[in-house]
Amino acid sequence: DIQMTQSPSSLSASVGDRVTITCRASQSISSYLNWYQQKPGKAPILLIYAASSLQSGVPSRFSGSGSGTDFTLTISSLQPEDFATYYCQQSYNIPFTFGPGTKVDIK
Amino acid sequence: QITLKESGPTLVKPTQTLTLTCTVSGFSLTTSGVGVGWIRQPPGKALEWLALIYWDDDKRYSPSLKSRLSITKDTSKNQVVLTMTNMDPVDTGTYYCAHRQVGPRGVWFDPWGQGTLVTVSS
Repeated sequence: DIQMTQSPSSLSASVGDRVTITCRASQSISSYLNWYQQKPGKAPILLIYAASSLQSGVPSRFSGSGSGTDFTLTISSLQPEDFATYYCQQSYNIPFTFGPGTKVDIK
Repeated sequence: QITLKESGPTLVKPTQTLTLTCTVSGFSLTTSGVGVGWIRQPPGKALEWLALIYWDDDKRYSPSLKSRLSITKDTSKNQVVLTMTNMDPVDTGTYYCAHRQVGPRGVWFDPWGQGTLVTVSS
């Protein structure tokens, strides 16, 4: 199985801050990397697919980059509704695997 | 608009078999390229992919759980059913079904159902 790691595991930030979350795969996964946002008690929502493609309806302050083993999710200006947990997911191989999550909370 | 909704028992006993149903709308389970997956999440923990069924009835399972899982679909009812045998308290969590999207650079899940919490306890 491809192992996914994320850093940091949690972070505190203020509204308006630029936030970067890193995801690393245990082997090269090309651009087969997706990002999801999950709020407490809710289902995950797709933000970014194929490493850098913004899902329709997702605000442009979210962006993704990377290929191979290292990927980043960036929120250019954190908004109150962005406080949530973020997960990366690889689809290069079955089983699809998710990272452990990064919790973004209010400083 | 694509929607998915999970249903099933909220409480099962250890060793019992869990049966969950995902009722979909806004797309057909027989349309070429369509897939529906199941993903679970123990309380306070990360997401774990379980299984996927395709429009042509091809199926994929998580290797670590393959012996316990079965995924089927009933196209007449627009439903995808997941069964998991020999349930254990560690299987407690929220179970989601999700619509699979596919592109040149992979597979992603969008949208997801609201999830259903399953507790395994005697």
